[in-house]
Amino acid sequence: GQNIDQPTEMTATEGAIVQINCTYQTSGFNGLLWYQQHAGEAPTFLSYNVLDGLEEKGRFSSFLSRSKGYSYLLLKELQMKDSASYLCAVIDSNYQLIWGAGTKLIIKP
Amino acid sequence: GAVVSQHPSWVICKSGTSVKIECRSLDFQATTMFWYRQFPKQSLMLMATSNEGSKATYEQGVEKDKFLINHASLTLSTLTVTSAHPEDSSFYICSAISGTVSYNEQFFGPGTRLTVL
Repeated sequence: GQNIDQPTEMTATEGAIVQINCTYQTSGFNGLLWYQQHAGEAPTFLSYNVLDGLEEKGRFSSFLSRSKGYSYLLLKELQMKDSASYLCAVIDSNYQLIWGAGTKLIIKP
Repeated sequence: GAVVSQHPSWVICKSGTSVKIECRSLDFQATTMFWYRQFPKQSLMLMATSNEGSKATYEQGVEKDKFLINHASLTLSTLTVTSAHPEDSSFYICSAISGTVSYNEQFFGPGTRLTVL
């Protein structure tokens, strides 16, 4: 079966750095996406990785290792508004999006 | 960026009634729209893929006679939950893409929270 694993919940301090991991086992791979979802709202796109390596976009960076079936989302200089759920999703060989359950990130002052 | 709207943003209805949710792409033509459902503390679950002018493709386990999808134009898709029951209470989200399939450019609507009493 297809499976995406993320930690259920993480806590971090304002101004710090946090890394949210995502491991996947899917039938084929055509890219991995990270989304941010605030409570009661729809997801918003953060990043897309299809090649190995680190993609940096402001305070957020996303890393991919296809051989390890592993990705992480790195958030720097955390702000209170970063409190949200972060969803990892993989595009499989049929170009279907397989969603992880999401990681709830709690930021404390 | 592209904007997708949903209406209503929330709805409360009695068990047995039908509810229609609209999804509109405001500034682009959406050749494909997706309907998702999300229960509390769970991941997004794809319900169906809708292409303009053709029948929707439903995911396994989703009743097509209960969740009617119509994608009559390039800017509008509707999801009708027929004879809704309390277990249908959920957060329904649509998303849209234009042109060729490109999942990194899937634009989400704000979602509709359905509560069935």
